[in-house]
Order: sequence, then structure tokens, then C-alpha cells
Amino acid sequence: DAGVTQSPTHLIKTRGQQVTLRCSPKSGHDTVSWYQQALGQGPQFIFQYYEEEERQRGNFPDRFSGHQFPNYSSELNVNALLLGDSALYLCASSLRTQGFGDTQYFGPGTRLTVL
Amino acid sequence: GQQVMQIPQYQHVQEGEDFTTYCNSSTTLSNIQWYKQRPGGHPVFLIQLVKSGEVKKQKRLTFQFGEAKKNSSLHITATQTTDVGTYFCAGEGSNAGKSTFGDGTTLTVKP
Repeated sequence: DAGVTQSPTHLIKTRGQQVTLRCSPKSGHDTVSWYQQALGQGPQFIFQYYEEEERQRGNFPDRFSGHQFPNYSSELNVNALLLGDSALYLCASSLRTQGFGDTQYFGPGTRLTVL
Repeated sequence: GQQVMQIPQYQHVQEGEDFTTYCNSSTTLSNIQWYKQRPGGHPVFLIQLVKSGEVKKQKRLTFQFGEAKKNSSLHITATQTTDVGTYFCAGEGSNAGKSTFGDGTTLTVKP
């Protein structure tokens, strides 16, 4: 039973570039949430995808966008990268039951460095 | 918007001592989840609390959810070196699926 996988593991970009991060949910899960974790801080919710639609969004600018595919995998896209976008990007998957309180399983994350 | 605060930010204990971290939300929560993140790792789900006043135990770990569903605590009895890491609480308010994490309490245990 595969857990949540993310790719790539590490990524280095320069300011102004665009990046795409990928996530495959745990087997049997249908919902994917993305988080940004800066060093020394807790994960910050970016958005959640279910049934290929963005269901919830945190306080992130439109430069952050996403997509969910029919096989439940997901992508996070960030345009016009800023130095402040350097962080660990975490994907969490869950099985939507009630919507509230669905247990999330996190992937290992993608470490993004913007120079 | 909803804010979740955790205290203390850091806790250093001698192996065998107890440890407690507290979590406070600015708004009433529908549920609260606790995670542990080891250095260099990712958050690992520990438990979820849903009911007002709920108390759950996992071996040496005791989790509580406040009566007003705005605060929670995690208590570890007789810490071990394997307990080191950062403990996060994450609260879900009125927006299903939108979790707000605290900034965590980092526990170090001296053998």
C-alpha cells in the first residue's frame, strides 16, 4: 500500500521562474491538500482539491494554482517565484467522508529553494 | 481569520520528565488534530479530537480537547529520546477541509 508520494524531492529555481510540484495520494484517497512550510513554522494551508475542483483555499496569491487529475493525483504550480516562496511544500491526502475531520496523511515534501 | 497558537515554542527536558504543549484557537473548532514531525521529516498524524471535553490516550501520550472547543493539550508522561520532534496541533473550523496549524512545540530530550 503506497503512501503519499511527491516529486521532485528538491528543486532550485531563480526569481521570476515558474515551478510545478507533483503529488500522488495514498491508495484509496480522493482528496489532496497542499501546504507551505517555512523553516521553523507550521504548515500553512494553500488549497484543497476534491473531484478535480478547488474546494478550499488559504491566504495565498493567485500565483499559486493547482490541478487534480481523474486519478486523484495533483499538481501545485507557482508562477513568478519570489525569494519568500522558498519552503517545504507538503501534500496531504485524505478520503473524503464527512469533509470535516478527514484524517490527512502527509507526503515527504518538496524542498523548493528560490535564488 | 482563524489563528492557532501553540506554547511553548521550545521545551528541553531530561529523559523521564513529563512534557506538555498547549494549543489555543481564536475561534471555535469542529475538531483538532495533532501531528509529530521529526527533524527533516514530514508531519505524521497522531490523533483527532472531536467532542467537547474529550480525552484520548495513546500509551504515554494524553490528548485533551477543551470544553469550549477552542483549546487543546498534549501531555507526554516520562519522556523518552524517541519523543524528540516538533508537535503540531491543527484546527478545523467552519470551513471543512481547511486546517490551520500552530507553529509547533519542539521537544528535545536529554538522555
